Amino acid sequence: QKEVEQNSGPLSVPEGAIASLNCTYSDRVSQSFFWYRQYSGKSPELIMSIYSNGDKEDGRFTAQLNKASQYVSLLIRDSQPSDSATYLCAVNRGSQGNLIFGKGTKLSVKP
Amino acid sequence: DAGVTQSPTHLIKTRGQQVTLRCSPKSGHDTVSWYQQALGQGPQFIFQYYEEEERQRGNFPDRFSGHQFPNYSSELNVNALLLGDSALYLCASSLGLGEETQYFGPGTRLLVL
Repeated sequence: QKEVEQNSGPLSVPEGAIASLNCTYSDRVSQSFFWYRQYSGKSPELIMSIYSNGDKEDGRFTAQLNKASQYVSLLIRDSQPSDSATYLCAVNRGSQGNLIFGKGTKLSVKP
Repeated sequence: DAGVTQSPTHLIKTRGQQVTLRCSPKSGHDTVSWYQQALGQGPQFIFQYYEEEERQRGNFPDRFSGHQFPNYSSELNVNALLLGDSALYLCASSLGLGEETQYFGPGTRLLVL
């Protein structure tokens, strides 16, 4: 079992819809969770971080964390074509300090 | 506020050569981590430097080595390059060790022929 798993996609949604991206992780000692957006040919850009169970909202983005189910998700409301990118889920096990990434989910928002 | 910078942006080398990549962390950050990202994959952790010492290392061979300078900037060195070393090399900076958020630089794209 891979440490961090994401559906590779592509996930295609129409403009204005809600895009839902999911991630599961295997190590229960994981402490902090991050979503990065990566445009083709570019480096990862931080969107959200979440440390506690529940929801965290920032503009059109909402991160959800459920440590009991070892599940973290990202919702993008009112999706725009500019949101089309690969979304990387990353987990930090706290004392270790390094990020463990999933392979990413490619999102395509159609006008 | 200066972000993370990396140089060079692109590099072409041949098998067996050696390469040095450079990174300057975001202003106020003191920790540098290096990642390798192959095409279609998520970034893989190489190592992390803090207080000029390698603090953690991922599953990479000794051909990959690094250094951190007193001004917190860092170098990644790869010896005896293999075709499989072709990838995007990412530097990320953070403040201290542990759970702190890491911010990525633009990356260096290395092609080994």
